[in-house]
Amino acid sequence: KAGVTQTPRYLIKTRGQQVTLSCSPISGHRSVSWYQQTPGQGLQFLFEYFSETQRNKGNFPGRFSGRQFSNSRSEMNVSTLELGDSALYLCASSFTVGQGTDTQYFGPGTRLTVL
Amino acid sequence: DQQVKQNSPSLSVQEGRISILNCDYTNSMFDYFLWYKKYPAEGPTFLISISSIKDKNEDGRFTVFLNKSAKHLSLHIVPSQPGDSAVYFCAASVGGDKIIFGKGTRLHILP
Repeated sequence: KAGVTQTPRYLIKTRGQQVTLSCSPISGHRSVSWYQQTPGQGLQFLFEYFSETQRNKGNFPGRFSGRQFSNSRSEMNVSTLELGDSALYLCASSFTVGQGTDTQYFGPGTRLTVL
Repeated sequence: DQQVKQNSPSLSVQEGRISILNCDYTNSMFDYFLWYKKYPAEGPTFLISISSIKDKNEDGRFTVFLNKSAKHLSLHIVPSQPGDSAVYFCAASVGGDKIIFGKGTRLHILP
């Protein structure tokens, strides 16, 4: 069974631009969560989607948004990029909702660098 | 406000010995705890979990201990192997929602 895939793997943008990252969950998984990983803050929860609906949202500004499609694929968008948005963005999928109790499978991440 | 704290950024352990990774939390409502392992250039991989109704859970070489009164959990790896060198994240959630991760501990297994 194919794992979680994320595209692109690496991205370089400049301040003020916007970016869209994509995540394809494991086949059959309907829950997708996004995380930001930085050296100083570790893994921080961005949002979780299930059946095209956002179930939970972390403490990030409105510049960070996401969506989920009917095939469970998900995208996250960051508008008006800032230098501090440079991070590894991880996507995780699970079969059910309640990410804390169902095993989440992570993708390899998208490394975003903002110059 | 860091609700899940891993106070040791790194830890070095001799191969074959026991590795003990520690994690403290502040939210007494957390009822589910997880450990993830992460290699460079890969996403985290689920390792082991424990519900707040238990104080110990074992899976092969990995054992997680939970001390609710101290709001402390630990991951024991026995015996430690070279492939265990990775970053380990402790995580917690309330009712299965919104996992909160610690900042991670880098474990080095020395030959």
